[in-house]
Amino acid sequence: GAGVSQSPRYKVAKRGQDVALRCDPISGHVSLFWYQQALGQGPEFLTYFQNEAQLDKSGLPSDRFFAERPEGSVSTLKIQRTQQEDSAVYLCASSLDLGSYEQYFGPGTRLTVT
Amino acid sequence: DAKTTQPNSMESNEEEPVHLPCNHSTISGTDYIHWYRQLPSQGPEYVIHGLTSNVNNRMASLAIAEDRKSSTLILHRATLRDAAVYYCIPTYDKIIFGKGTRLHILP
Repeated sequence: GAGVSQSPRYKVAKRGQDVALRCDPISGHVSLFWYQQALGQGPEFLTYFQNEAQLDKSGLPSDRFFAERPEGSVSTLKIQRTQQEDSAVYLCASSLDLGSYEQYFGPGTRLTVT
Repeated sequence: DAKTTQPNSMESNEEEPVHLPCNHSTISGTDYIHWYRQLPSQGPEYVIHGLTSNVNNRMASLAIAEDRKSSTLILHRATLRDAAVYYCIPTYDKIIFGKGTRLHILP
């Protein structure tokens, strides 16, 4: 079946622009997670949802970052007024539920801010 | 979140078993022990997870200490494709990646 998909795969933004990154989780997956991975580093947790509820947004680096999942399926990560330090790969993952369930990761969106 | 300690890097010869250790002495009673890996230029990939008993799947085996303060991921016969960063993650909800172990496979 289809895995987690993300779009766009690559995004170049000028500093100060707003960007929106989309994640389509596996159908029926309740939990959805966003991560940021800078070059040469491990993924850093940003936020997660159970259905449409955002249960934890402790990893969002600033109030320029905003995530939503209004109908409990597709999610969008929005970054306002992008800065160079926002350049990274943004990974989305979904799982059937929390706890013992494995997370399935998408291919990521590589964001480059110039 | 439980703190983990893993070797920064390990080497193994192709077609030999590999034992990747992880210490997680602050694990809580409800945390599952998850292992993920990340191959070069790819997103992380689930490997295996367990709670108390040892677990086997087609990719690997997971040996969990009786006190649950450590675990070992076992790749029974490493191939070049297994070269990756391996992350040990005790958790009940969100996956928090540490530094992991970079596994090099020698042909």
